[in-house]
Amino acid sequence: QKEVEQDPGPLSVPEGAIVSLNCTYSNSAFQYFMWYRQYSRKGPELLMYTYSSGNKEDGRFTAQVDKSSKYISLFIRDSQPSDSATYLCAIRPIDKLIFGTGTRLQVFP
Amino acid sequence: EPEVTQTPSHQVTQMGQEVILRCVPISNHLYFYWYRQILGQKVEFLVSFYNNEISEKSEIFDDQFSVERPDGSNFTLKIRSTKLEDSAMYFCASSLGLNTEAFFGQGTRLTVV
Repeated sequence: QKEVEQDPGPLSVPEGAIVSLNCTYSNSAFQYFMWYRQYSRKGPELLMYTYSSGNKEDGRFTAQVDKSSKYISLFIRDSQPSDSATYLCAIRPIDKLIFGTGTRLQVFP
Repeated sequence: EPEVTQTPSHQVTQMGQEVILRCVPISNHLYFYWYRQILGQKVEFLVSFYNNEISEKSEIFDDQFSVERPDGSNFTLKIRSTKLEDSAMYFCASSLGLNTEAFFGQGTRLTVV
């Protein structure tokens, strides 16, 4: 079983839609979770960083962790064409990051 | 805003040649990392570095790879004898501590011909 699984998409939504991006992970010991955004041929840009279970909100972005289900989510409200990118979930087992494959999101006007 | 910078942005090298990829991590960060992303694939961990030592490395990070912090600001990745399959984007990252946010540079695109 892969440590982190993520649907690669692509996910195509109209401008203004609520986007839900999801990952599952295998090891219940993981405590730290991150979401990154990556534009084509650029470095991952940190969006959200969460510890343990619960929600964290930052502007239009909400990160959610459900440790009982080993499921992490990123919600984007009022999506914009500029949100079109690949979204990477990552878990942090102390001294490294393990990434999912990334979900490619396209927001069309 | 502090950022991780990487040079060069693109490097073309012949198979068998040595390359050095350079990174300047965020100045007060203590943990440094290299990751690799082959085109169309996921970002993969190579190595972590703390207190002038490798703290963890992946199976990818074999004897052809080495890392160094030659001074107080630079962090380098050396590939001794490049292979075609080393062609990828290489990302440097840094973090203040263990289990804290990790920030990435814009990457070096390495093309081995």
